[in-house]
Amino acid sequence: DTGVSQDPRHKITKRGQNVTFRCDPISEHNRLYWYRQTLGQGPEFLTYFQNEAQLEKSRLLSDRFSAERPKGSFSTLEIQRTEQGDSAMYLCASSSPAPDRTGRLQETQYFGPGTRLLVL
Amino acid sequence: AQSVTQLDSQVPVFEEAPVELRCNYSSSVSVYLFWYVQYPNQGLQLLLKYLSGSTLVKGINGFEAEFNKSQTSFHLRKPSVHISDTAEYFCAVKPDRGSTLGRLYFGRGTQLTVWP
Repeated sequence: DTGVSQDPRHKITKRGQNVTFRCDPISEHNRLYWYRQTLGQGPEFLTYFQNEAQLEKSRLLSDRFSAERPKGSFSTLEIQRTEQGDSAMYLCASSSPAPDRTGRLQETQYFGPGTRLLVL
Repeated sequence: AQSVTQLDSQVPVFEEAPVELRCNYSSSVSVYLFWYVQYPNQGLQLLLKYLSGSTLVKGINGFEAEFNKSQTSFHLRKPSVHISDTAEYFCAVKPDRGSTLGRLYFGRGTQLTVWP
């Protein structure tokens, strides 16, 4: 178990450029999450996948953002036509939900180190 | 809807002193509760979690938290802090049912600074 990994760790880009981030979850985790964290704030949910299916997207995820998880393993998050307001830490997390004795689905999300994006 | 309030944005404390970081939440359904720690320029590390059972949960690095359903609180405590505990601490909740089943809702964080 090597943990969640993200690449790159840092990215500096100019406004208007496209950027793509990659996340490799803990092996055999079927859920993968993307969050965004701006300075002085807690992480905010963007989207998540169960296997290759994208199950939920936040309204924070504008049309310029797209996420994929084509084979149910790693995921990519692309931002097109970046804006200065996109500058943030992008966090990936993975989990493997399982039912408890009462049937409730219990889940713990494990986070990667994040990708820090700076848009100039 | 769910929301999380961390009542203190900054908590300074001297080394070996006790500390409590406060967290209150609001939810229309039952929730699971988590505390994460974030060191500078790093991702989030799970400290502890409450899923069910005993309301007093113990985590890593000597931290513990108590779930109080009537007060909708999940305060984090440590009896004696070290300088290495200096970090940002985030409280998070996750609904156990509903349309937003997957996501975590985070508070704004509490910066714990331990002074020698």
